[in-house]
Amino acid sequence: GDSVTQTEGLVTLTEGLPVMLNCTYQTAYSTFLFWYVQHLNEAPKLLLKSSTDNKRTEHQGFHATLHKSSSSFHLQKSSAQLSDSALYYCALRNSGGSNAKLTFGKGTKLSVKS
Amino acid sequence: GPKVLQIPSHQIIDMGQMVTLNCDPVSNHLYFYWYKQILGQQMEFLVNFYNGKVMEKSKLFKDQFSVERPDGSYFTLKIQPTALEDSAVYFCASSLGGGYAEQFFGPGTRLTVL
Repeated sequence: GDSVTQTEGLVTLTEGLPVMLNCTYQTAYSTFLFWYVQHLNEAPKLLLKSSTDNKRTEHQGFHATLHKSSSSFHLQKSSAQLSDSALYYCALRNSGGSNAKLTFGKGTKLSVKS
Repeated sequence: GPKVLQIPSHQIIDMGQMVTLNCDPVSNHLYFYWYKQILGQQMEFLVNFYNGKVMEKSKLFKDQFSVERPDGSYFTLKIQPTALEDSAVYFCASSLGGGYAEQFFGPGTRLTVL
């Protein structure tokens, strides 16, 4: 079945430093990749999505590029802000028999300090 | 943006009791989902629901689970009877379309079964 692997656990950064959260995946089908962000006591919200190989997608200062050759969709930002502290989930949906369900990674907690 | 509400935010019950988790989806959405997240693990798909029917369910959607959305009101997940392993955060989501349409998530209901 499908699987998503993310940078484990907690990532702590100082404000202004670059952010990179890793996401790799396995699926037998064509796929959509997503990044969701969940701030404390809030709902997960869609941050980025892509299905196009080697095309950079950007939103709210974050960007990611789907690389099908390496099955990766890493999340990056050039300069971390305090407000970026949150839980980040990478997820995929495939084009197989079921294209409705999302398969999630375990999530990466990003903590940005001043 | 569109919001999905979940009621209650926390629920504590004794093993063997029945529990109903309520989800108020985005008003014009037609597809509804439940995901389960055990502490420290990833969110996992339980079920999706459209036009009054379960479209797909995972192996986590045990016989003790049921979903319904009577008369366009709350989309509910009922567990009867509950078991210790049902302790988790349950996330509801809704989308306007199926397939690759964006899923909007609620903040989750934390269920503790004693």
